[in-house]
Amino acid sequence: GQNIDQPTEMTATEGAIVQINCTYQTSGFNGLFWYQQHAGEAPTFLSYNVLDGLEEKGRFSSFLSRSKGYSYLLLKELQMKDSASYLCAVVDSNYQLIWGAGTKLIIKP
Amino acid sequence: ETGVTQTPRHLVMGMTNKKSLKCEQHLGHNAMYWYKQSAKKPLELMFVYNFKEQTENNSVPSRFSPECPNSSHLFLHLHTLQPEDSALYLCASSQGRGDQETQYFGPGTRLLVL
Repeated sequence: GQNIDQPTEMTATEGAIVQINCTYQTSGFNGLFWYQQHAGEAPTFLSYNVLDGLEEKGRFSSFLSRSKGYSYLLLKELQMKDSASYLCAVVDSNYQLIWGAGTKLIIKP
Repeated sequence: ETGVTQTPRHLVMGMTNKKSLKCEQHLGHNAMYWYKQSAKKPLELMFVYNFKEQTENNSVPSRFSPECPNSSHLFLHLHTLQPEDSALYLCASSQGRGDQETQYFGPGTRLLVL
């Protein structure tokens, strides 16, 4: 079967750095998305990785290792507004999006 | 402002009711999606429309009936739902149908079935 694993919940401190991991076992791979979802709001696109390596976009970076079936989202200089759920989704060989259950990130002052 | 709107934002209905969820996208996209989001579970893809044609129905019970009159509008008609259907229903759109396309989501309809 196809599976995406993310931690259910993480807690971090304002101003700090947090890394949210995502591991996947899918039938093929055609890219990986990260989305942010604030409570009661729409998921919004953060990043898309299809090649190995780190992609940086402001305070957020996303890393991919296809050989390890692994990605992480790195959030720097955490702000209270970063409290949200972070969804990992993989595009499989049939170009279907396989979603993880999301990681709820709690930021404390 | 995501460019995808959904109404109503909240809905409470009995198991014998009939209601409809509406989604509208203002992004000029050609593909639209319905998802079900339950607490602590992955997003479940329900239906996909590409250029107004339904391309996927992921074994969704017939009590959920989608309608796509044009590329900008998508409806989900609900009838004789069950309490386990209570969830957040999200609509999304993308430029094309390929899953490498970034999907843009609406804020969702929070549905409670009593």
